[in-house]
Order: sequence, then structure tokens, then C-alpha cells
Amino acid sequence: SQKIEQNSEALNIQEGKTATLTCNYTNYSPAYLQWYRQDPGRGPVFLLLIRENEKEKRKERLKVTFDTTLKQSLFHITASQPADSATYLCAPSTSGTYKYIFGTGTRLKVLA
Amino acid sequence: DSGVTQTPKHLITATGQRVTLRCSPRSGDLSVYWYQQSLDQGLQFLIQYYNGEERAKGNILERFSAQQFPDLHSELNLSSLELGDSALYFCASSGLWRVYEQYFGPGTRLTVT
Repeated sequence: SQKIEQNSEALNIQEGKTATLTCNYTNYSPAYLQWYRQDPGRGPVFLLLIRENEKEKRKERLKVTFDTTLKQSLFHITASQPADSATYLCAPSTSGTYKYIFGTGTRLKVLA
Repeated sequence: DSGVTQTPKHLITATGQRVTLRCSPRSGDLSVYWYQQSLDQGLQFLIQYYNGEERAKGNILERFSAQQFPDLHSELNLSSLELGDSALYFCASSGLWRVYEQYFGPGTRLTVT
């Protein structure tokens, strides 16, 4: 069955450093992969979508890579700030099947 | 603010009861999605509606049902509630050509006692 793995352990990093979060998936080949941010008790917020034919996508301090051979996406936040502290969810999606599967997320804490 | 609204914010009810959660999508969005999030399960897709018609089903229990009305708002009905149904329920919406770019509402926290 389709499986998504995100590091369940919290990631603590120092302010100003680059945070790198990993999303691995198995048993399917997504055409799209989304990253969302979620704060405690609030709805996820869409950040970025990357397509299978795109190796990398950037938005301000965010960068996402998508390696279909490794079945992995990396999510980078450069010059991290305490306000970036949140849980980040990845959601690899297969085109046309309308299945919306989210990883359990990685909690990021940026220390001042 | 995503533009998606959900009511009520909190709901406390007893086992065996029935509740209705309501969602209004962003202006112009035709697709509505319902998700359940509990501590041990993560975000689970329940069901999707597109312009009033059911488009996709996920892990939705038979005790749960949903519909989307002509004005595009949606309701999720949960019946014969069990303690395990306690969770955050999110509604999301998306545009026609961006189904993988979903905008989530603030959620309804359901507590079943």
C-alpha cells in the first residue's frame, strides 16, 4: 500500500540556519507533491507544489526538490526564523486518482 | 485567512448522537474536501465533492455522510458517534485546475464524551 514517511522526531535548529525536512514515499509514483505548514490546532496552509518533471522549486526562503528516482522530496527553509516553527506536512499525489494522502508531518522548532 | 469558513469551532456531544459540521469554500472554488485529524492518525481524507457531486471517497465510515449544496457550501454529518470520533475535522477547497493546491478552513474540534 502507499506509504509516506516523514521524520516523526522534532527537528530543532538555530535561528538563521537552513532547515531541511525529508519526505519519502513508497509503492506509488506521484505526479505532484505538495508541502503544507500546520500550526497547533489550526488548518494546514498550502506552501508549495512541485511536479514530477520539476527538479526544484523556490518561493522566497523556501525550496523544494523532488527526486522521483529516490522517491523523495526535500523541503528547505533558509535563514530560518522562530516564526517558522510549525509542523510541515508533505502530500504526494497521483494524477487523476483523486487520492489525497498526507504524511504525518515533521515538527520544526527554530531556536532564537 | 484562507477564505474557507467552518462552523461550529467546537462541538461537545455524547456517544450515540448525531452532529452536522458546516463548511463554506473560498469564493469561486467548486471542490470541497473533508478531512479528519486525530493525534494518532494524522490527516485522513474522508470525501471530496465537486460542484455538488461526489468526486472521491477516502476512509469515510458508513456512519458519516456529506453533501454539497447548490450554493457550494458543504455539510458533513456524523451519526452514532463513538469516543474514537473525537478529532479535528477540516474542510478544504480548491479551484477547478488546482485540485492539489487545497485551502483549509480553521476546523471543527469535535469531542465525544
